[in-house]
Amino acid sequence: QVQLQESGPGLVKPSQTLSLTCTVSGGSISSGSYYWSWIRQPAGKGLEWIGRIYTSGSTNYNPSLKSRVTISVDTSKNQFSLKLSSVTAADTAVYYCARELETGAADYWGQGTLVTVSS
Amino acid sequence: VIWMTQSPSLLSASTGDRVTISCRMSQGISSYLAWYQQKPGKAPELLIYAASTLQSGVPSRFSGSGSGTDFTLTISCLQSEDFATYYCQQYYSFPWTFGQGTKVEIK
Repeated sequence: QVQLQESGPGLVKPSQTLSLTCTVSGGSISSGSYYWSWIRQPAGKGLEWIGRIYTSGSTNYNPSLKSRVTISVDTSKNQFSLKLSSVTAADTAVYYCARELETGAADYWGQGTLVTVSS
Repeated sequence: VIWMTQSPSLLSASTGDRVTISCRMSQGISSYLAWYQQKPGKAPELLIYAASTLQSGVPSRFSGSGSGTDFTLTISCLQSEDFATYYCQQYYSFPWTFGQGTKVEIK
């Protein structure tokens, strides 16, 4: 059973960079034709897809965030990471990591981690 | 960007009811649609992908239909554990986008 777990600071100051890591257990991040993605959800609101990465390093990003987002993968640690630069209060949300099937539906999700942007 | 209109935003129903949630796309997406269930404080869970394929382990009372621009999630006999918020998601073109959500509450 694949499990994903987000980790990283829960509080980030405005203009700084948000950094989160997702650790995958129960299987190798390199096995199968899966993508590894980040999705966020502001409190009481809907879901926003941030982007995804394949283990080859190939990425796809949401154009609304593309200039500020970097997603990377470390297959030796079975982890992938999110960096979001120049954050503002609008970036305050629960951030989820997820495994995407080759077609795009996300079949496994982390529990989510709340990141608050505040001074 | 493909925009999605999910309706209704709130649905009041009783246990045993048959409920239907709609998702309409701003352009055709073939069958590249998924449905998720989210309970408070939890991550979404995949129910259906490819518009009508039931994810492993999901009860058969859930079903999905549609293609192109109009899609439907049906719960044939609502159970107490089904009271939650449901989202549709398109993965036809980047960026993937989600509907606004439908909260199914106890009537």
